[in-house]
Amino acid sequence: DTGVSQDPRHKITKRGQNVTFRCDPISEHNRLYWYRQTLGQGPEFLTYFQNEAQLEKSRLLSDRFSAERPKGSFSTLEIQRTEQGDSAMYLCASSPSGRAEYEQYFGPGTRLTVT
Amino acid sequence: AQSVTQLGSHVSVSEGALVLLRCNYSSSVPPYLFWYVQYPNQGLQLLLKYTSAATLVKGINGFEAEFKKSETSFHLTKPSAHMSDAAEYFCAVSDMAGTALIFGKGTTLSVSS
Repeated sequence: DTGVSQDPRHKITKRGQNVTFRCDPISEHNRLYWYRQTLGQGPEFLTYFQNEAQLEKSRLLSDRFSAERPKGSFSTLEIQRTEQGDSAMYLCASSPSGRAEYEQYFGPGTRLTVT
Repeated sequence: AQSVTQLGSHVSVSEGALVLLRCNYSSSVPPYLFWYVQYPNQGLQLLLKYTSAATLVKGINGFEAEFKKSETSFHLTKPSAHMSDAAEYFCAVSDMAGTALIFGKGTTLSVSS
């Protein structure tokens, strides 16, 4: 068990550019989640996958945000036409199933700075 | 809808003193509750969770929390603070569908020598 990994750890981009983040969950976990955390706030849920199926995406912040998990393993989160308000920490988490009592295991996050 | 309120955005204690971080929840169904800790520039690490098996839950690093339904509370405590406990602490409740975690705004714990 190597834990949840995220790449890159830090990303600085200019406003208007597209960015993509990668998340590798714990290998046997079939649930994968994305959260956004802004300064002074708790993580805010964005979307999640059960294997390769994206089962909730209504809370993605705008249509500039999209996520994929093509083979049910790693996932990517893309932000198109970045804005300064997108600057935040983007966290990925995984869990072994969808049961509510199972904790989610978090990765170290990708910190995005939009200049 | 579920929600979590953490009372006190910043708590300061002396090393060796009692740590008490407050969390109140709102839920229309029996909740599953979690405490996570976040060190600077890191992800979240689970401290403990309540899943209805026992109202007093023991976690890692000497932390524990007590679920009180009558008070809708799940406060986190540690008898004796250590310098290494300085971090951000988040209380969370699982949503009804068992998908998203709904987090409070967090409490920053500072420990002085």
